[in-house]
Amino acid sequence: DADVTQTPRNRITKTGKRIMLECSQTKGHDRMYWYRQDPGLGLQLIYYSFDVKDINKGEISDGYSVSRQAQAKFSLSLESAIPNQTALYFCATSDPRLSGETQYFGPGTRLLVL
Amino acid sequence: DAKTTQPNSMESNEEEPVHLPCNHSTISGTDYIHWYRQLPSQGPEYVIHGLTSNVNNRMASLAIAEDRKSSTLILHRATLRDAAVYYCILRDGLRGGTALIFGKGTTLSVSS
Repeated sequence: DADVTQTPRNRITKTGKRIMLECSQTKGHDRMYWYRQDPGLGLQLIYYSFDVKDINKGEISDGYSVSRQAQAKFSLSLESAIPNQTALYFCATSDPRLSGETQYFGPGTRLLVL
Repeated sequence: DAKTTQPNSMESNEEEPVHLPCNHSTISGTDYIHWYRQLPSQGPEYVIHGLTSNVNNRMASLAIAEDRKSSTLILHRATLRDAAVYYCILRDGLRGGTALIFGKGTTLSVSS
């Protein structure tokens, strides 16, 4: 079973709708991240959380919100989706106690906003 | 964070070694050099990381220049499954806990 899972894997929505992307992990890591990737580009950080009570904005947080329901769950919400939020979204986890603090990524959610 | 420079693309033949270069002339003494790769339609995955000494693992080797201003990821025998985008990323070993700063990476094509 995958250590980092994301649901849904694909989502089509309309402009103005509120949607939620979910991430769950079984690695026991405290730190979790949400990234987005636009076609042909690298990943950009949206939000990150060092533990359940610690949530921080990344470089492109406008239009997004997050919720850390438990150590294992980190959800990303688009309050009012717009077409330029069409992208691939990745969740990741890490453990600062591990050498290099490797980040482990989920399989991604492909979002299309019409 | 210090920046890295990589070629946009490289090509290789199957079962041949591949050397993927990365320049990081402004690297600081506490920056670790990380490599991740992203296979088509998948999330990035960790490949290897190092600080000063060359590193080997089951996936690849990392050769770090003596002045640390450049490094090379070495795939000893490329397979079709190694076709991916490879990202060279610097991470501050003191601060840690920050996001990975992804550039555009190097797109590696492998031919049979």
